[in-house]
Amino acid sequence: DTGVSQDPRHKITKRGQNVTFRCDPISEHNRLYWYRQTLGQGPEFLTYFQNEAQLEKSRLLSDRFSAERPKGSFSTLEIQRTEQGDSAMYLCASSLAGGAGANEKLFFGSGTQLSVL
Amino acid sequence: GNSVTQMEGPVTLSEEAFLTINCTYTATGYPSLFWYVQYPGEGLQLLLKATKADDKGSNKGFEATYRKETTSFHLEKGSVQVSDSAVYFCALSPYNFNKFYFGSGTKLNVKP
Repeated sequence: DTGVSQDPRHKITKRGQNVTFRCDPISEHNRLYWYRQTLGQGPEFLTYFQNEAQLEKSRLLSDRFSAERPKGSFSTLEIQRTEQGDSAMYLCASSLAGGAGANEKLFFGSGTQLSVL
Repeated sequence: GNSVTQMEGPVTLSEEAFLTINCTYTATGYPSLFWYVQYPGEGLQLLLKATKADDKGSNKGFEATYRKETTSFHLEKGSVQVSDSAVYFCALSPYNFNKFYFGSGTKLNVKP
């Protein structure tokens, strides 16, 4: 069990550029979540997948944000035309939901820190 | 709607002191309640949980009891250690676990 891994750990970009983050969940986990965390705040829900289906998307997520989980394994989060307000820690988490042995425990990655200059 | 409110920090204690971090929630239905902890430089990890009213979650000497009548889930530890220094997040998940709502976090500093 290698845990949830996120890449890159840090990303610095200029305003207006596009960025893409990757998350590799724990291999047997069917749910994958993206959260955003700003300094002094708790994680805010952005979106989640059950296998490859994106089941819910927060109203916080503007049209500039898109997430995919094409084969129900790893996921990518893309931000187009970045703005300074997008600067935050982007967290990925996974869990095993439904069926035998299911539990609601989230396993978090260490996050990708985005700085938009 | 669903939300979590927890006491602001930082909380600074001496080693072996008693710890309480308050957490109250607003939820539709019957949520599960959690405490997550984030140690410096690490990702969030589950500390304890309770899935129904009057349940007590416990782990590593920490405890929290699900109080439906006061909509609270306060975190307690009888004797803190320097190694408990971290940020603690209270969270809830509605019955279908499709989303988790987190409080803003409480930073705990334990001095030797």
